[in-house]
Amino acid sequence: SAVISQKPSRDICQRGTSLTIQCQVDSQVTMMFWYRQQPGQSLTLIATANQGSEATYESGFVIDKFPISRPNLTFSTLTVSNMSPEDSSIYLCSDLLAGGRYNEQFFGPGTRLTVL
Amino acid sequence: AQSVAQPEDQVNVAEGNPLTVKCTYSVSGNPYLFWYVQYPNRGLQFLLKYITGDNLVKGSYGFEAEFNKSQTSFHLKKPSALVSDSALYFCAVRASSGYALNFGKGTSLLVTP
Repeated sequence: SAVISQKPSRDICQRGTSLTIQCQVDSQVTMMFWYRQQPGQSLTLIATANQGSEATYESGFVIDKFPISRPNLTFSTLTVSNMSPEDSSIYLCSDLLAGGRYNEQFFGPGTRLTVL
Repeated sequence: AQSVAQPEDQVNVAEGNPLTVKCTYSVSGNPYLFWYVQYPNRGLQFLLKYITGDNLVKGSYGFEAEFNKSQTSFHLKKPSALVSDSALYFCAVRASSGYALNFGKGTSLLVTP
């Protein structure tokens, strides 16, 4: 498995500001994903981070609100823009190794975001 | 569209007793099924998966799950529960045509001494 780290581990932000979350994987992976886990809820896929091209967003998520970068095979960022209290969640980065859909995804420790 | 249902918000079990956490799924084509566990203030940890083959799959920490195609179920089981098994358990499904995981809402397992 690939070890995934995220920074920051948690943050408290003011309404209207933006936060960029970093995700680093210790080996080259095929795919990287960003999920959101709202308080007491399950995980919801935000987008697939594509290396060198625009991310693929799920229904209900847009690039202006959640811009994503993936400059190489081991690093990705998610920005939560113009934050509101409804954005308070845990944001998790995930990867999928070569071999594709037969494989399990591994998850980073998450970034706990609180918006005041 | 693919989806997962975990009908129980919470399961309570006494230590040493067998446990079952239920999961049913809906997906087009062959399902790829996963169980994850989330301990407080920690990320998700992979437990086990079903891709093909034997319907009973074994995973980490003594957990196993049984795939039942006719009932579209993938229940998580353990013969003898430990207090340390207390955590939040998520079932997830991936359609054979895609990569994204769809998660159930999670089941909180409480094992009492």
